[in-house]
Amino acid sequence: GEDVEQSLFLSVREGDSSVINCTYTDSSSTYLYWYKQEPGAGLQLLTYIFSNMDMKQDQRLTVLLNKKDKHLSLRIADTQTGDSAIYFCAEIRSQGNLIFGKGTKLSVKP
Amino acid sequence: EAQVTQNPRYLITVTGKKLTVTCSQNMNHEYMSWYRQDPGLGLRQIYYSMNVEVTDKGDVPEGYKVSRKEKRNFPLILESPSPNQTSLYFCASRLGGELFFGEGSRLTVL
Repeated sequence: GEDVEQSLFLSVREGDSSVINCTYTDSSSTYLYWYKQEPGAGLQLLTYIFSNMDMKQDQRLTVLLNKKDKHLSLRIADTQTGDSAIYFCAEIRSQGNLIFGKGTKLSVKP
Repeated sequence: EAQVTQNPRYLITVTGKKLTVTCSQNMNHEYMSWYRQDPGLGLRQIYYSMNVEVTDKGDVPEGYKVSRKEKRNFPLILESPSPNQTSLYFCASRLGGELFFGEGSRLTVL
């Protein structure tokens, strides 16, 4: 099937904001997710947004959804070294299937 | 406690020796799915199931079988494992926007 696209790498300095972008494939997707995976660990749900929303904010995390462009972004304010991980975008397609992007590796430099 | 349980968590086996990775959820979810995670390739879907006795192929179904005879269980079967099936496997279940993942099963095929 078509891919959920993410850039593979992002490097930021501690204290800066990080913005991780994702382009999904199904304009009828109902839910869109951001997951975090630290080295050797499982998948941690960070946040999700329903398709009738444009934005969702949760502490340092802000999710923006542009349905017209099928673009999803995750902004992490005041990025810390503990935020270093791989971040996966995922969509639930119209048939109910859950598909992931390849992940963006975020590196935070002190 | 709501959870998705996978077993085994770790397994080393040899080429051709049939194995089954079990997945069980206690939330009465209709949707369940299997993914494999490989470096640089993100999470790729193997099979998914929208309900009992309903299963569909994901992006990488070759070499795998599944069954969904009851709602809570969704085992992943490798009839004749090969080294290219060495990977980290995740099972997931979903109801609406609520997604739950198992902790992962690391499989090595020699």
